[in-house]
Amino acid sequence: DAGVIQSPRHEVTEMGQEVTLRCKPISGHDYLFWYRQTMMRGLELLIYFNNNVPIDDSGMPEDRFSAKMPNASFSTLKIQPSEPRDSAVYFCASSFQRASSTDTQYFGPGTRLTVL
Amino acid sequence: GIQVEQSPPDLILQEGANSTLRCNFSDSVNNLQWFHQNPWGQLINLFYIPSGTKQNGRLSATTVATERYSLLYISSSQTTDSGVYFCAVERINGNQFYFGTGTSLTVIP
Repeated sequence: DAGVIQSPRHEVTEMGQEVTLRCKPISGHDYLFWYRQTMMRGLELLIYFNNNVPIDDSGMPEDRFSAKMPNASFSTLKIQPSEPRDSAVYFCASSFQRASSTDTQYFGPGTRLTVL
Repeated sequence: GIQVEQSPPDLILQEGANSTLRCNFSDSVNNLQWFHQNPWGQLINLFYIPSGTKQNGRLSATTVATERYSLLYISSSQTTDSGVYFCAVERINGNQFYFGTGTSLTVIP
């Protein structure tokens, strides 16, 4: 397997624009996680899915953020409209289980987002 | 939320030295994991260890859940161990995963 795939790897956009980040989890993994990493706030869990269903989105900062998982092999994180404070590295991760001995999360390489 | 504190914040070691990283958390947890982020930003899961002890090569981890701390041991450190080590926890009956601020490790040849 190629691991967790994220695209794009880098995104530079202007304030107010819509941004869509994409993630392809490892095949067979039932859980998918979206994280954000910034210098100020560190690593934060934004939302996670189980079998394509959002389980907890309490980490999503505000209504400008939305995430979908239309099928087991694809998820998107959308920011609309984007703001400079959204600049961060966004990671996607997937795992076979959660809160168990097989809860090994495999991370994608991340998308570095810069909002000007 | 739950507070997750890691110490030390920074650590510089000579290659071959041993080290202990600590993670304290403020509430009972049913999920605790250690991660390594290498200098290029890649995150790798090291251990799932809500309690007990595990070992994987030169790395081992121990969590004492009743005292709300976990330790990550690195023996015979190598330059490839450099990076930031994160502890992350999930509270019992919770869904959120909270990360500590990390320990930045630099191993000097």
